[in-house]
Amino acid sequence: DAKTTQPTSMDCAEGRAANLPCNHSTISGNEYVYWYRQIHSQGPQYIIHGLKNNETNEMASLIITEDRKSSTLILPHATLRDTAVYYCIVRAWGVISNFGNEKLTFGTGTRLTIIP
Amino acid sequence: NAGVTQTPKFQVLKTGQSMTLQCAQDMNHNSMYWYRQDPGMGLRLIYYSASEGTTDKGEVPNGYNVSRLNKREFSLRLESAAPSQTSVYFCASSESVTVNTEAFFGQGTRLTVV
Repeated sequence: DAKTTQPTSMDCAEGRAANLPCNHSTISGNEYVYWYRQIHSQGPQYIIHGLKNNETNEMASLIITEDRKSSTLILPHATLRDTAVYYCIVRAWGVISNFGNEKLTFGTGTRLTIIP
Repeated sequence: NAGVTQTPKFQVLKTGQSMTLQCAQDMNHNSMYWYRQDPGMGLRLIYYSASEGTTDKGEVPNGYNVSRLNKREFSLRLESAAPSQTSVYFCASSESVTVNTEAFFGQGTRLTVV
């Protein structure tokens, strides 16, 4: 799986959009970009994923650059409950014979603090 | 919906003791994982099981063994606990290598080895 690079920490004012960047310059064609978050002391929670098109769900939007070497997770109206560590992960799918694709590898993530 | 259930939630062991962390999922997922998370660090993969009957090493397998007991259950065993294994352990599951979906995590087991 390709490695990712994220800023160590970020702050965002409550009610504003939080934009979390991620670099994945070695991403390959069959790798998806996933975002998870971990609120203090809890298990990680899935947020969103995408391949090359922008994606939106009830939690967030994911913007992937055309060359797929970077992406941005957008929390449109951040609340205090969004304070967490956010992980950007790239993961391959669809290759039945390669069990290495089953690995879900986390980096150190971005600690996002929402400020009242 | 239970999702991924880990037991116990907390455990204190003495150095050299053994124990097994249990994990069960009720989502009929094929793949299961064990991670550890040390203070201020991301999750590191210990072992994973792509499907029932298979297990493979992750990044930090030393000192651990796993058993994929059946499709639902994936246990992690510490044969001789060491203080370096003090950590929070998370179990996770996902549907299949051929299906593009997310992983679900348990709430963690906080293990202290003294």
